[in-house]
Amino acid sequence: KNEVEQSPQNLTAQEGEFITINCSYSVGISALHWLQQHPGGGIVSLFMLSSGKKKHGRLIATINIQEKHSSLHITASHPRDSAVYICAVQGGNTDKLIFGTGTRLQVFP
Amino acid sequence: DTAVSQTPKYLVTQMGNDKSIKCEQNLGHDTMYWYKQDSKKFLKIMFSYNNKELIINETVPNRFSPKSPDKAHLNLHINSLELGDSAVYFCASSQSFLGVTLQETQYFGPGTRLLVL
Repeated sequence: KNEVEQSPQNLTAQEGEFITINCSYSVGISALHWLQQHPGGGIVSLFMLSSGKKKHGRLIATINIQEKHSSLHITASHPRDSAVYICAVQGGNTDKLIFGTGTRLQVFP
Repeated sequence: DTAVSQTPKYLVTQMGNDKSIKCEQNLGHDTMYWYKQDSKKFLKIMFSYNNKELIINETVPNRFSPKSPDKAHLNLHINSLELGDSAVYFCASSQSFLGVTLQETQYFGPGTRLLVL
């Protein structure tokens, strides 16, 4: 079992829909990252959280440290949001990043 | 102006060859990383350098040797390439080492797609 689990693995949506991607982890962490990987392969760091909630444009990320769970929400989704979204936690003895396997999102017009 | 750049973007080579991938960051960051992303899109850290010193060295075959001539560059040299080395390799940088300071965002390069035939 991976230390970082994401759900769903694949997600399709119609333009305008509200989207939620979930991340659960089993290790103690100091921070959690949400990353976005576009079809071309480039990775963009979206958020870094240690508590609470962060918002950037149409993206919202929340984290519940007690429940070891984080969610990434996309409001008013758009086809350009189509990408793989990866959750990564910092934790363990060396504080290195541990990655989830990603959620592939496709938003259709 | 690209923050983290990698060259080449694509690399196709034969088994047994030796190849290098270069990474440069112009962000003034102290720490750089190499990640390998396999065919299932799973990202795994390989190495981390802080101010030219090796900090993280995961269980990676010693055919992989990182070299950091200065803190803006971290190159990855791979000897005797094998089929299983085919993957996308990502370079990243952060202001400081994640284990020392708190919660530094990493900035990723565009990736180098390596195919070993």
